[in-house]
Amino acid sequence: ETGVTQTPRHLVMGMTNKKSLKCEQHLGHNAMYWYKQSAKKPLELMFVYNFKEQTENNSVPSRFSPECPNSSHLFLHLHTLQPEDSALYLCASSQDGRDTGELFFGEGSRLTVL
Amino acid sequence: GDSVTQMEGPVTLSEEAFLTINCTYTATGYPSLFWYVQYPGEGLQLLLKATKADDKGSNKGFEATYRKETTSFHLEKGSVQVSDSAVYFCALPGTYKYIFGTGTRLKVLA
Repeated sequence: ETGVTQTPRHLVMGMTNKKSLKCEQHLGHNAMYWYKQSAKKPLELMFVYNFKEQTENNSVPSRFSPECPNSSHLFLHLHTLQPEDSALYLCASSQDGRDTGELFFGEGSRLTVL
Repeated sequence: GDSVTQMEGPVTLSEEAFLTINCTYTATGYPSLFWYVQYPGEGLQLLLKATKADDKGSNKGFEATYRKETTSFHLEKGSVQVSDSAVYFCALPGTYKYIFGTGTRLKVLA
């Protein structure tokens, strides 16, 4: 596999469920990102990890919990979400977050909260 | 703070028409500038970039020139195709983050 892979591609969950989104990159990058893309809104940066350390948390509600066990994997743990959290969640990676060059994106996980 | 302003869409064009999508930025210093494209059902991918003033980025027939004097990085294509239908994002990179424009949806009709 190459590039940035996200699973699952589609997820439907109730407000009381707990689920996780997974992202894996095979590019040897050291920075990984979670973005939220909602209809008619700008892309929202949620979290950034650089060399496995979280460097950005843009006031994201605690019902979203990121985890970065190594430079190749990034998770977004979801619990007690709200319907307004329904969106496309995009994972991205770059060589080094301190000197942001090209971002490489996965295809996204489409989340629907009922 | 740094910001990117991108023209609102959607933009609907006939095949072979000329395309311009405006992008202006506010930034300290002279950052690189990027255009990303998102095809239906996919994530974003880099379309082109310019790393310094007066640079012209180009790819797949698209071009954009980094204009310091007007703080602009407008995207142009001389003859669009149906396959160019997508959402286009202007972007300003920074430490640990990118600032993206709101995106401009382009629809090209055969």
